[in-house]
Amino acid sequence: RKEVEQDPGPFNVPEGATVAFNCTYSNSASQSFFWYRQDCRKEPKLLMSVYSSGNEDGRFTAQLNRASQYISLLIRDSKLSDSATYLCVVPLSPNDYKLSFGAGTTVTVRA
Amino acid sequence: DVKVTQSSRYLVKRTGEKVFLECVQDMDHENMFWYRQDPGLGLRLIYFSYDVKMKEKGDIPEGYSVSREKKERFSLILESASTNQTSMYLCASISRGDRDYEQYFGPGTRLTVT
Repeated sequence: RKEVEQDPGPFNVPEGATVAFNCTYSNSASQSFFWYRQDCRKEPKLLMSVYSSGNEDGRFTAQLNRASQYISLLIRDSKLSDSATYLCVVPLSPNDYKLSFGAGTTVTVRA
Repeated sequence: DVKVTQSSRYLVKRTGEKVFLECVQDMDHENMFWYRQDPGLGLRLIYFSYDVKMKEKGDIPEGYSVSREKKERFSLILESASTNQTSMYLCASISRGDRDYEQYFGPGTRLTVT
């Protein structure tokens, strides 16, 4: 089983819509979780960190469900500029700088 | 502003050639990483380094080696390039003690081996 698994999508949504997708992780001891964003032909960049039950940053909300071992990312009021691949990332072990990356979920927002 | 640079954006090499990919960061980060990214597989760790002259294998080190002679520079070497090493190569760095585990990535090198 992969350490981090994501629905690859693509999720095609109209501007203004809400889109949400999940990521499952295999290590029940994981304490921290991250969403990175990768634009087409660009490098990944940190979008959000999730340490407890969740985190909210503007239109983006990340939620953690430890019992079911998944993290979700919800984007409200989608903008064209939200079109990207969203990578779910989990450290291999606490205090380890080595990260395990999901393969990514592609979101396309259309006008 | 944080910066990680890679020596080439695009590279075409022939099978059997020795290939050098260079990565430089200007943030005085201790930790540096080399990944390759392939469709459907995500980022896979090739090698990482916790400090100068230190290196450890990642998940897919076969066919690769690395060098870290200076803190700011981490080089990836393909000893004898093969077509299955055609991929996007990404370098990243992170500061020791960064609670957010924010790895800063370079722009990537798209390597094609023919």
